[in-house]
Amino acid sequence: AQSVTQLGSHVSVSEGALVLLRCNYSSSVPPYLFWYVQYPNQGLQLLLKYTTGATLVKGINGFEAEFKKSETSFHLTKPSAHMSDAAEYFCAVSVGSARQLTFGSGTQLTVLP
Amino acid sequence: DAMVIQNPRYQVTQFGKPVTLSCSQTLNHNVMYWYQQKSSQAPKLLFHYYDKDFNNEADTPDNFQSRRPNTSFCFLDIRSPGLGDAAMYLCATSRGGTNTEAFFGQGTRLTVV
Repeated sequence: AQSVTQLGSHVSVSEGALVLLRCNYSSSVPPYLFWYVQYPNQGLQLLLKYTTGATLVKGINGFEAEFKKSETSFHLTKPSAHMSDAAEYFCAVSVGSARQLTFGSGTQLTVLP
Repeated sequence: DAMVIQNPRYQVTQFGKPVTLSCSQTLNHNVMYWYQQKSSQAPKLLFHYYDKDFNNEADTPDNFQSRRPNTSFCFLDIRSPGLGDAAMYLCATSRGGTNTEAFFGQGTRLTVV
C-alpha cells in the first residue's frame, strides 16, 4: 500500500520569499511521485514528476522538487514566490499498471504582498 | 486545445434524481479515471477504466457507476444522489504503464438540492 503525508495544510510566504512545501511518502515499491497545483474551481495541473533517474526534477513556473529515498521525501520548492503561486498544492504517488494516484491532503499556499 | 473535457462544469440535481457527468478526451489515452473531491479535501479515486477493463475501488459506493462506450468518452452515473455526494468530480486520463502522468479535466461541481 502507498500513502502520502503533506506537512502543513496552510503555508504563508511573502512575495519574493522561498516556498517550501513538504511531502513524505510511503510505498512498498519504487514510487512515481508528482506535484499537482489546483486553482479554485479548476482541475489539477501537473507541476512536475519523478519517475526514475535524476533525483532533482524541475517543473513549470520555476518549481522544483528533490526525491530523497533515505528520507522518503519529495519536497517542493521555489526560490521566489509570486502572487500567482497562491493555490492548493497536492503531492501524489502512483502505483500499478494503471498508475492510479493517491494524493496527500493538500497544502494551501498563500502569498502575502 | 482542450485535451480532457468535462461537461457540464456545474451541475445541480435534486436529491435522489439520477445524474450523469461526462468526460471526453482527445489524447487517445488508454486509462480514464474518475475522482471525487469534497470541499477542502484531496481527490479520491472512485474507479478507472484501463481500455475496456473496469476497476472499482473497494470503498466506492454502489450508488456510483461508470460507462466507457469508446476510447474517447467516459461517464459517471450517480443513481440516487444524496446530499453527501455534493463534490467536485474530476476526470483524468493517462497512457498507463511506466513514465506516464495523469491529465485532468476542469472538473464538474455537483450540487445536490
